[in-house]
Amino acid sequence: DTGVSQDPRHKITKRGQNVTFRCDPISEHNRLYWYRQTLGQGPEFLTYFQNEAQLEKSRLLSDRFSAERPKGSFSTLEIQRTEQGDSAMYLCASSIRTSVDTQYFGPGTRLTVL
Amino acid sequence: KQEVTQIPAALSVPEGENLVLNCSFTDSAIYNLQWFRQDPGKGLTSLLLIQSSQREQTSGRLNASLDKSSGRSTLYIAASQPGDSATYLCAPLGRDGGATNKLIFGTGTLLAVQP
Repeated sequence: DTGVSQDPRHKITKRGQNVTFRCDPISEHNRLYWYRQTLGQGPEFLTYFQNEAQLEKSRLLSDRFSAERPKGSFSTLEIQRTEQGDSAMYLCASSIRTSVDTQYFGPGTRLTVL
Repeated sequence: KQEVTQIPAALSVPEGENLVLNCSFTDSAIYNLQWFRQDPGKGLTSLLLIQSSQREQTSGRLNASLDKSSGRSTLYIAASQPGDSATYLCAPLGRDGGATNKLIFGTGTLLAVQP
C-alpha cells in the first residue's frame, strides 16, 4: 500500500494554457474523488468516480474542466484555457467500498496561473 | 446544503495542555465523519473516522465524539505537543443534495502548540 500519489506536485502556467493532472489511487480502491482547495478554505468536492464511471460532478466543475478514469485505475483532471481563478491545490482521494468508507488523500497538485 | 463550521478558527496553547476542537454541521443525514490534519502546503492525513452509528473513536492521544442529532463533533487532543501544530479539518460524509456521498469540509482550526 503505497498511498495515493499525484503528479505533478506543482504547476505554474500562463493564463489560457491547458494543464493536466494525474492521480494514482491506492491499488484496489474503486472510488476516486477530486477536490479543490483555495487558500484559507477547506477542500471542495469536484467529482467522483466509481471504477471508470463518473457518477457525480459538482457545479464548480465548469465546461473547461474534464476528468477521466480509464479502466478504473488512475485518473486525470484537465483544465482548458486556465484562468487566474483556477489557482488552487487540487487534491485526489480514494476509498474502497466498505461500511467504513475512509477516504485517503494524496499530497495534492498546487496550480498557479499567472 | 450542508454547512460545516469549526470553532475556534485559530488556537495557540502551551505544550502539555489538553484541548478541544469543535465542529458543527447543519445536515444530520451523514454516513460518517472524518477528522483530518493538514500541514502547510501538504495533503490531508486522516486522523479518525466516526461512523454515524458510533458516539466516539479514540486513537492514541486523540478522541473524537459525534452527536449526529445535534450536528456536533469534537476532537479532543490530550497532552498537546509542538508536533501537533497543523490545521485540523472536520468533514462529514453525505450526499449534500447530490447523487453520491462526498466529504463536506469546514474551514479548519489552525493549531499552534508552543514549546
